[in-house]
This record gives sequence, structure tokens and C-alpha cells, in this order.
Amino acid sequence: DGGITQSPKYLFRKEGQNVTLSCEQNLNHDAMYWYRQDPGQGLRLIYYSQIVNDFQKGDIAEGYSVSREKKESFPLTVTSAQKNPTAFYLCASSIVAGNEQFFGPGTRLTVL
Amino acid sequence: KQEVTQIPAALSVPEGENLVLNCSFTDSAIYNLQWFRQDPGKGLTSLLLIQSSQREQTSGRLNASLDKSSGRSTLYIAASQPGDSATYLCAAGQGGKLIFGQGTELSVKP
Repeated sequence: DGGITQSPKYLFRKEGQNVTLSCEQNLNHDAMYWYRQDPGQGLRLIYYSQIVNDFQKGDIAEGYSVSREKKESFPLTVTSAQKNPTAFYLCASSIVAGNEQFFGPGTRLTVL
Repeated sequence: KQEVTQIPAALSVPEGENLVLNCSFTDSAIYNLQWFRQDPGKGLTSLLLIQSSQREQTSGRLNASLDKSSGRSTLYIAASQPGDSATYLCAAGQGGKLIFGQGTELSVKP
């Protein structure tokens, strides 16, 4: 089955800890994206990558970091510098940047 | 800076009714517009993608239109069903990215 997987589905973090959210795709897509969704709000772009070993900041990159060492994988690290990390995190991919985006099932992060 | 707005924020209709969801954007320099469906606690499902050169796209009971000059897109749902209940999001494609509206929460009552 082709698609986008995100793990874990639920994640709990203590204040001051870094956590890493996984995103994997087997669609052979070049571009990958990370979004954050807060209750009652639309999605806001954190980081995106148009090609392996390259990525750009989105609108709310502060307190987050990413890597793109493999085409299939685009992990997101939520650092302790992110002051309000509790949110629903969604990963997406597209064949190339600007084409139709497809989304994973999301990871819900809660800070205890 | 591109801003995308969806009105209304919530909509409740009886089963069988035809309905229109609205999406407006401030900058007409977009290369596409995408409509998504989101069920509670789930990821987004792509419904329709309209390229900037197109006026509309259809899939089953769904029809999406795009008017770049007026900065508007509509999603028409025919013969609504309770299973259509979800949040519908539109997103404008610009600069390799999508800019999202806040969504319309649709409830279809049996």
C-alpha cells in the first residue's frame, strides 16, 4: 500500500524534553511538509523540503528542527525552545513542490 | 501576504440538501486551490484540486469552482448525506506551499 505514515499516534512530553515525530512515505514524492493544527484553526506550515538534503522554514519554524537525509523520511523534532508545543502535527507529501498534497494520519503531542 | 478565509465556520443542514461552502483568498497569484476533508482526530483527505488555469473540477457529488479574479472558490455538495459530516478545508497553492483557511465544520442531520 502506498501512503504516508506517522508515528506515534499519541505522544506525551515533559517540559524541557525534546521529542521527535516520525514521517515516512513510500509514494516516491520529492516534497514533504510539516504542519501544526491547533483547535478550531487551520493548518500552519512549520518546515518543508523540496528535495533530499534541503529544507526551508515555514511560517512557524521557531522551536522546531527537521532533517531530510532520505527521500522517504522527514522527521520533525520539537525542542524545549518551543513554548507551546501541545498540538496536532500533520505530515504531507507531494510529487514535487506545488503539486497536490497528501496527508498522513497525524500525531497528537501533549506536554505534561 | 496571502490570507485564506472560509465562511461560515459551521453549517448544519438536513439530509438531502444541496449546499455550498465558500473560500476566499486575498492574492490571486495562486497556481492551484485544493479542497480537503478532515474527520475528528484524523488527517486530511484530498477531495479536489483545481489548477489556476481551470474553472472547476468534479468528483461524484462534489463540484469545486475557482474564480481567481474575484479571489473565490466554492465547494458544492449535492444531495448531502450524514456521512458528509466533517470539517472542510480549502488551501491556496502559492510559492511551493499551501496556505489554509480555518475550515467549515459541516453537520448533516438525518
